[in-house]
Formats: sequence, C-alpha cells, structure tokens
Amino acid sequence: KAGVTQTPRYLIKTRGQQVTLSCSPISGHRSVSWYQQTPGQGLQFLFEYFSETQRNKGNFPGRFSGRQFSNSRSEMNVSTLELGDSALYLCASSLGASGAGGADTQYFGPGTRLTVL
Amino acid sequence: DQQVKQNSPSLSVQEGRISILNCDYTNSMFDYFLWYKKYPAEGPTFLISISSIKDKNEDGRFTVFLNKSAKHLSLHIVPSQPGDSAVYFCAASNGITGANNLFFGTGTRLTVIP
Repeated sequence: KAGVTQTPRYLIKTRGQQVTLSCSPISGHRSVSWYQQTPGQGLQFLFEYFSETQRNKGNFPGRFSGRQFSNSRSEMNVSTLELGDSALYLCASSLGASGAGGADTQYFGPGTRLTVL
Repeated sequence: DQQVKQNSPSLSVQEGRISILNCDYTNSMFDYFLWYKKYPAEGPTFLISISSIKDKNEDGRFTVFLNKSAKHLSLHIVPSQPGDSAVYFCAASNGITGANNLFFGTGTRLTVIP
C-alpha cells in the first residue's frame, strides 16, 4: 500500500507571497492532519480534516488554512508569507476513528520544506 | 508551553545494549502516547503506542512503559542496532483536543555505535 505523499518536496517563496501544499493520504484513510516543524518550536499541530470538514485546529493565525477534497486529498495554504513560516510542513493520515484518544494512529509523509526569503 | 518534554537531546549506546529514551508530560488529560522515529529527509515513522489504561506495551525489540502518577513514559530498545540511529519523538493526545492533535516532544537523537 502506498504511503502518504506530499508535493512539492521543496519550495522557495518570498515574503508576502502565498503558497499551497498538497497531501495525498494512504488509501482508505479519511483523516488528514498538518504539522509544522521548526528548529525552535519542534512539531506543532496546525489542523485536521476529516470528511472534508476541519475537525480540529491548533494555535496558528488565520493565514494558515486548509481544505480536504472528497477523495480525502488535502491542501494547505499559507497567505502573506513571513520569514518565520520557513519550516518543514508534514502531513499525516489516519483512518479517522472517533475523536477519543487512542483510536487512531497517524502515518506521516516526507514533508514539504518551505523556505521564505 | 511545552506539554511533552524530552529532556535528553541526545543518547549514545553501544550496539547490543539497551537504549532507554525518556519523556515527561504535564497534561494529565493525555490518554494516548506514541513514539515515532525520524530519519533525515523523511517524515516521522510510527513505532509503538500505549493507552493510558495500560502501563506497558511491547512490540518486538521495542517496549514502552507508562507511569501515570509520575507523568513519565519511556521507550526501551533491546538489543540496540545501528539501524536504530535516528531522532525519536514522544507524542501524546487526548479525547478533548482530538486523537489526531498530537503534542510532540522536541526529540532525542539516538546514536547506536557498532
């Protein structure tokens, strides 16, 4: 079974631009979560989509948004890029079992390395 | 505020010996804990998990221990192999903020010396 794929793998943008990252989950997985990894803050949860609806959201500004399509593929958008948005953006998919802890294991893609100049 | 902490940024172990990676958490509402390992240029790979109703879970060479009263968990790798060299992340979740809202520690870099 194919794993989680993310495109593009590397991206360079300038301040003020916007960017869209894409994630294709493992076949059969309905939940897609996005994380940001930076050297200073580590891995931080951005949001989760399940059945085309945002189910959970982390503490990031509104410039970070996402969506999920009917085939469970997800996109993440960052508008008005800032230097501090430079990071590795990771997507994780899971079956999307109930919201109770312990029912769902997430599998991560390789990430998209975003550099903002 | 870091709710999951890995206080050892690095650990070196001889091949064949036991590796013990530690993790502490502050949020008593966490009910599920996971360990991931990460190689450079790859995403984290799921290793093993444990529910808060258990105190031990074993999978081959990997065992996770949970001490809820101390808010502490550890990952034991026995015997350690050079291929285990990677960064290990501890993560936790709870039903309130969502099973897929994982809170991660900052990672411990394990080096297994042949």
